Amino acid sequence: GAVVSQHPSWVICKSGTSVKIECRSLDFQATTMFWYRQFPKQSLMLMATSNEGSKATYEQGVEKDKFLINHASLTLSTLTVTSAHPEDSSFYICSARAGSGGNEQFFGPGTRLTVL
Amino acid sequence: DAKTTQPPSMDCAEGRAANLPCNHSTISGNEYVYWYRQIHSQGPQYIIHGLKNNETNEMASLIITEDRKSSTLILPHATLRDTAVYYCIVRVAWEGNKLVFGAGTILRVKS
Repeated sequence: GAVVSQHPSWVICKSGTSVKIECRSLDFQATTMFWYRQFPKQSLMLMATSNEGSKATYEQGVEKDKFLINHASLTLSTLTVTSAHPEDSSFYICSARAGSGGNEQFFGPGTRLTVL
Repeated sequence: DAKTTQPPSMDCAEGRAANLPCNHSTISGNEYVYWYRQIHSQGPQYIIHGLKNNETNEMASLIITEDRKSSTLILPHATLRDTAVYYCIVRVAWEGNKLVFGAGTILRVKS
C-alpha cells in the first residue's frame, strides 16, 4: 500500500509552547488528509479533514484556533498544536487519501505528544 | 457515531483461524464494510473491505451475511503479530467520506 510518514514520531514540550506535526504522503498525491487524536485505551477520534489548497473542516468540539491545519501541497499537511497544555497530550495520527479514483485512506505511524 | 458493534476482546491460539464478528444492522444499501487494525502505538492498517460479496486478499477473508446486517473477518492462520485492535467500519465509498472508528475488538493471539 501507499506510504504516509509523520514527523516527529514523538515530542515532549513545555506547557504554553506550540508544536508542529508534519504528515507526508511519500509515493502518491493526497488531495485529502485527515487528522485523528487517540487518548490511551480509547479509539481514534477524527479532529479535522483538510483538502489541498482550502481551509480544513473541523469536527464538532475541536477548536480550530488551537489546532491549526495547513495542507499547502499534495504531499504535505501540518498540524500545529498552539499553546499546548497537558490535556493535549495524546497520540496524533494522520491519514491521506489519493485523489485520482482511489478512496482508500492510508495512515501514518502517529506522533506521541507529551506536554509537561 | 459508529454504526457497528463488536465484542470488546477475543483470544485465539497461534496457527488457528481467528474469526472476528461485527454487527451492522442499520447498514444502508450504498455502505461498504471496512476492516482496519491497529497494532499498539502504530497507525491503523487497512485490511479488507466489501459491499455484499465475500472478499479475500492476502491478509484475510471477509464474509458478509446475505442481509448485510453482520460480517466476519477471518484471519486464516493467526500469528502473534496479528495481536491488535480490529475495527469494523461502515461507510459510503465516495470520495471524501470520513472513517468513524468505534471501540473495536482487541484480538490476543497466544502461543
